[in-house]
Amino acid sequence: SQKIEQNSEALNIQEGKTATLTCNYTNYSPAYLQWYRQDPGRGPVFLLLIRENEKEKRKERLKVTFDTTLKQSLFHITASQPADSATYLCALVPNRDDKIIFGKGTRLHILP
Amino acid sequence: EAQVTQNPRYLITVTGKKLTVTCSQNMNHEYMSWYRQDPGLGLRQIYYSMNVEVTDKGDVPEGYKVSRKEKRNFPLILESPSPNQTSLYFCASSFSAQGNEKLFFGSGTQLSVL
Repeated sequence: SQKIEQNSEALNIQEGKTATLTCNYTNYSPAYLQWYRQDPGRGPVFLLLIRENEKEKRKERLKVTFDTTLKQSLFHITASQPADSATYLCALVPNRDDKIIFGKGTRLHILP
Repeated sequence: EAQVTQNPRYLITVTGKKLTVTCSQNMNHEYMSWYRQDPGLGLRQIYYSMNVEVTDKGDVPEGYKVSRKEKRNFPLILESPSPNQTSLYFCASSFSAQGNEKLFFGSGTQLSVL
């Protein structure tokens, strides 16, 4: 079956270090992949979108990579801060005309 | 400010009492959608709309109704709520026709059905 997998266990990172979150997928060849941030009880907020022909995308302290051979996307936050603590959702779009499919998210805690 | 506005933020009701959750967006988006989010299950799509007067079922439509009479509004209706509809609900909109790029989410409605 088609799946998107994100680490269900919370990730604890020391402030100032780089946090790396993983999104693995099976049985897809997605047109593009997105990352969202969600704070407790609030709606997800769009962060970055990376397309199948792009290897890497950056936005300020955020970096996303997309490896279609490994079927994996990595989401990096450099110089992490306690304010970065949240749940991060990976979402993929199988084909350009398909609906978006969300992973269940990974909780990130940045420890002061 | 570009936003998706949901109301109410919190709602407690009893089984069988009809309720409506409102959703409005000010970005002139064609696409709007409703999701529910439950622990361990992630976001699941209830209904979506790609244009005025056009609505389609998502993955979990049973027990819900929607309407899209105006572009900016997309209310979610529970005709006869049941306890298994207790959940956190989100409305979302997108500039892309399929709603698969950069979704804008509302702040959520926490619904409890007793």
